Amino acid sequence: DAGITQSPRHKVTETGTPVTLRCHQTENHRYMYWYRQDPGHGLRLIHYSYGVKDTDKGEVSDGYSVSRSKTEDFLLTLESATSSQTSVYFCAVGRGEETQYFGPGTRLLVL
Amino acid sequence: GQQVMQIPQYQHVQEGEDFTTYCNSSTTLSNIQWYKQRPGGHPVFLIQLVKSGEVKKQKRLTFQFGEAKKNSSLHITATQTTDVGTYFCAGRRSGAGNNRKLIWGLGTSLAVNP
Repeated sequence: DAGITQSPRHKVTETGTPVTLRCHQTENHRYMYWYRQDPGHGLRLIHYSYGVKDTDKGEVSDGYSVSRSKTEDFLLTLESATSSQTSVYFCAVGRGEETQYFGPGTRLLVL
Repeated sequence: GQQVMQIPQYQHVQEGEDFTTYCNSSTTLSNIQWYKQRPGGHPVFLIQLVKSGEVKKQKRLTFQFGEAKKNSSLHITATQTTDVGTYFCAGRRSGAGNNRKLIWGLGTSLAVNP
């Protein structure tokens, strides 16, 4: 699974608090992605990165920011968590047009 | 909005029956990928199809890419309980500048009764 870890794996937080999720990879993939998965919506892309400090928005980027200061780490920040951001968050990595390898996911509950 | 339609959304079969899920895009795709997600797990890559009319097999799974590169299918022969999960298709648009992001179908959830 391309050496991908996500932390934390589970988190409960309160509305209005900032939350940062971390994705770490060990195989030097250029591309990294953050998705959220909700029933009835499948996988929706939040943000992605195509290199260190190079990021772009996905289809559901409002309320989220990302940073990639090192090849191996891609951080997703919820600036002020809302209940609508309760979801399962997946990080994925890839080298280009090839397959994407997914991390184990983070289950986030915003109360 | 969603540009890759995947049907059916759910499918229940008896073990041993066949299963097919279809993926249809409104635009031409440069390639299409299939993923499987077990309940409680994460999506796992199954296969990528690139060529028009391409057919690939993995044991009981047969994958097809349409001649126009706008549709694809996954067929499972003689389903087993280990096939339970959600199957996603994901395609990349043709043309420059759009190739970093996959367009995902909503998935087909397969339940298999033993």
